[in-house]
Amino acid sequence: GAVVSQHPSRVICKSGTSVKIECRSLDFQATTMFWYRQFPKQSLMLMATSNEGSKATYEQGVEKDKFLINHASLTLSTLTVTSAHPEDSSFYICSAPRIRSNEQFFGPGTRLTVL
Amino acid sequence: DQQVKQNSPSLSVQEGRISILNCDYTNSMFDYFLWYKKYPAEGPTFLISISSIKDKNEDGRFTVFLNKSAKHLSLHIVPSQPGDSAVYFCAATVKGAEYGNKLVFGAGTILRVKS
Repeated sequence: GAVVSQHPSRVICKSGTSVKIECRSLDFQATTMFWYRQFPKQSLMLMATSNEGSKATYEQGVEKDKFLINHASLTLSTLTVTSAHPEDSSFYICSAPRIRSNEQFFGPGTRLTVL
Repeated sequence: DQQVKQNSPSLSVQEGRISILNCDYTNSMFDYFLWYKKYPAEGPTFLISISSIKDKNEDGRFTVFLNKSAKHLSLHIVPSQPGDSAVYFCAATVKGAEYGNKLVFGAGTILRVKS
């Protein structure tokens, strides 16, 4: 199956710093990628849709200035958590659908811990 | 407003028996449904899907049933194996680029298969 990678897998940072998470589709192109957040024992919450060549679209309640998304190419999207605070600590997961497919392939996730 | 609901937070099954995971949805626009399996600290992996034009789809030990009138679907795993122990997420979407391939996830059901 298709492979989606995320980097880093774990990151610990101090409050107030910014953290960048990369999501790459390794063997297919993705014009769209999705960023999710998962709290402990909770479902995946869609944060935003990353669109190659245009602005990301954010779900209701997600601060776009806090969570900056850049879809630099057909295989790379980045999520930057700006001025991170402890409440931003979470498991962030990206996914990418193949073009003209309903199936989404998920990355392995990034565990962010903000001290 | 939970559009996809998995009302059982957990399920425990003996090895070799059948596991039945249930999912209900409220949005009648959904026309494609997927099941994902997730281990802790990993991204979800795709298991099986079903289009609304079908009422059953089978893949090895996994079968998904869809009852459109009841807005209900279920995942059957038979025979269950200890390696099936994971969190199972039901997801739904609307086919077509207009919806943007967004997936709406249920809260997940933890399956434990006892040997």
